[in-house]
Amino acid sequence: AQRVTQPEKLLSVFKGAPVELKCNYSYSGSPELFWYVQYSRQRLQLLLRHISRESIKGFTADLNKGETSFHLKKPFAQEEDSAMYYCALLMDSSYKLIFGSGTRLLVRP
Amino acid sequence: ETGVTQSPTHLIKTRGQQVTLRCSSQSGHNTVSWYQQALGQGPQFIFQYYREEENGRGNFPPRFSGLQFPNYSSELNVNALELDDSALYLCASSLEAGLGDSPLHFGNGTRLTVT
Repeated sequence: AQRVTQPEKLLSVFKGAPVELKCNYSYSGSPELFWYVQYSRQRLQLLLRHISRESIKGFTADLNKGETSFHLKKPFAQEEDSAMYYCALLMDSSYKLIFGSGTRLLVRP
Repeated sequence: ETGVTQSPTHLIKTRGQQVTLRCSSQSGHNTVSWYQQALGQGPQFIFQYYREEENGRGNFPPRFSGLQFPNYSSELNVNALELDDSALYLCASSLEAGLGDSPLHFGNGTRLTVT
């Protein structure tokens, strides 16, 4: 069955430290992967998608089909990065996203 | 540009009752998707409406139903409420049904509590 796994419920780092939020997926077809973010008291919003291959707010994510992973990385975390992060899988350009259970990132001063 | 709006923001119902949640899609979007987010979990797909027709459905029983109107706003109806239906219900709109080129734009959600 298709599944997205985010193994860490909480990731706590100090400001300026590197960050890696892990995401693994289970799907044998052609996946599209996304990262969504929810800042405190804001709505869930798209952070980035793998097909764009761009850096948003200093975050990057590379799709590794061999390891079925799509980890989110940032070299130097900022306090404003504190939020809930969700990895999501889209199967064959279909109509539904499969979300992981989320990782709360806490960046301490 | 008007974003996705949902009403009400909070709702308390009793087991066995029925509830209707409402969503106005973002300007220019013709597709609405509904997700259920239980506490501590990621959003789970309920169904999608595209041009007033149900376009796909997740693993939810028939007592979860929906509508989309000509102005692309949408309703989620849940009959015979159960305690496990307590969750945050998210509405998301997109330009098209296929999400590969049309990312989801989410509303703030409706928090439903069933007692």
